[in-house]
Amino acid sequence: QSALTQPASVSGSPGQSITISCMGISSDFVNYKLISWYQQRPGKAPKLIIYEATERPSGVSNRFSGSKSGNTASLTISGLQTEDEADYYCCSYAGSSSTLYVFGAGTHVTVL
Amino acid sequence: EVQLLESGGGLVQPGGSLRLSCEASQFSFHNYAMSWVRQAPGKGLEWVSAISASGESTYYADSVKGRFTLSRDNSKNTLSLQMNSLRAEDTALYYCAKDLGVDRYGYPDFDFGGQGTLVTVSA
Repeated sequence: QSALTQPASVSGSPGQSITISCMGISSDFVNYKLISWYQQRPGKAPKLIIYEATERPSGVSNRFSGSKSGNTASLTISGLQTEDEADYYCCSYAGSSSTLYVFGAGTHVTVL
Repeated sequence: EVQLLESGGGLVQPGGSLRLSCEASQFSFHNYAMSWVRQAPGKGLEWVSAISASGESTYYADSVKGRFTLSRDNSKNTLSLQMNSLRAEDTALYYCAKDLGVDRYGYPDFDFGGQGTLVTVSA
């Protein structure tokens, strides 16, 4: 599993929906839902917001949703709010005997 | 709420060593696999290493393999990362993380319960 590709930045106005893609995931890993998404606000630790490609941990807003298709996973933020301005990272199983996981380079979301 | 207290970071010269610790509380430590994830200044997240709940299996990113050693003491709820032959590119904030659930091998679901410990490798 090589590096995962994410757009460097995405922006939207309050109330809009935005989608962040994560490309280059092995189709097998997509099928088995070995994908997660993290939100990281400035100066804070990452927070898990989507696991198994589409599931939300308890306490995470339902404005966050995950989807998958082919070699790509996507994160959609609906009803964009100023508090959503942060960096977002996808992460996938790497499938190596040594390296277990690989992160995408991250996407900065700006709320205009 | 999961609590993970990372410690042991600091300034070290290239080629030197450091030992990071992560003290876990508020969950059954011995049931969960654990990982270290790092973040270089101004950069993205990088998974570094993981260890199974029992401690029998360990995994490393290619970038640290052969230099870092991960271990755990389930009697003390403590995770340790021994870092040798440190390089400038190892400079980062190191986070300790627990798996979201038990028996989650292959699922990259991390619960970050602390604020990390900063490692700076510089002459």
